[in-house]
Amino acid sequence: DTGVSQNPRHKITKRGQNVTFRCDPISEHNRLYWYRQTLGQGPEFLTYFQNEAQLEKSRLLSDRFSAERPKGSFSTLEIQRTEQGDSAMYLCASRTGGATEQYFGPGTRLTVT
Amino acid sequence: RKEVEQDPGPFNVPEGATVAFNCTYSNSASQSFFWYRQDCRKEPKLLMSVYSSGNEDGRFTAQLNRASQYISLLIRDSKLSDSATYLCVAHSGGYQKVTFGTGTKLQVIP
Repeated sequence: DTGVSQNPRHKITKRGQNVTFRCDPISEHNRLYWYRQTLGQGPEFLTYFQNEAQLEKSRLLSDRFSAERPKGSFSTLEIQRTEQGDSAMYLCASRTGGATEQYFGPGTRLTVT
Repeated sequence: RKEVEQDPGPFNVPEGATVAFNCTYSNSASQSFFWYRQDCRKEPKLLMSVYSSGNEDGRFTAQLNRASQYISLLIRDSKLSDSATYLCVAHSGGYQKVTFGTGTKLQVIP
């Protein structure tokens, strides 16, 4: 399967713990996005990478959130000191530079207890 | 006020009906617009792009009115398989920033 993959698919953690999610985009895609989606809402933009550079970051992204794409391929999203309000589906999407269509991964569902 | 607003629905329509969804956006700098479809517990997938001149793809027609900052999606001859949530999307900042609407849920009834 050459689509966008995300790991883990599900994560249950206790409040205050740190979690890290991984996204592997489609191999030739140099643009990568992270989103958060809660029930009944559309995906909420978190951050955008072009190759390894993080070019856009939502004001909604608190200091507890950090994302990296060190080699311009896979990306990680880390949440430190998780809170119950962080419970959501975290989606990753990628695209090529010449296209506008984003291809989404299946998401990582985070539950903070 | 949300940057992209949609009627969340649900819209319950019989098979064969025509249904229209509307979306408004507040950021006049938004450059490009799209409709995505999201099935229950699945990831969003692109349905179609939206142009001022209007575009049609089979039973689906999308339209953009920049003056009114309004986007529409028309589905003709609804099928059961059209049941999903339809997300309106606006891009700004050279496609770097992406804003999704809340989504409109469609249920096509036999």
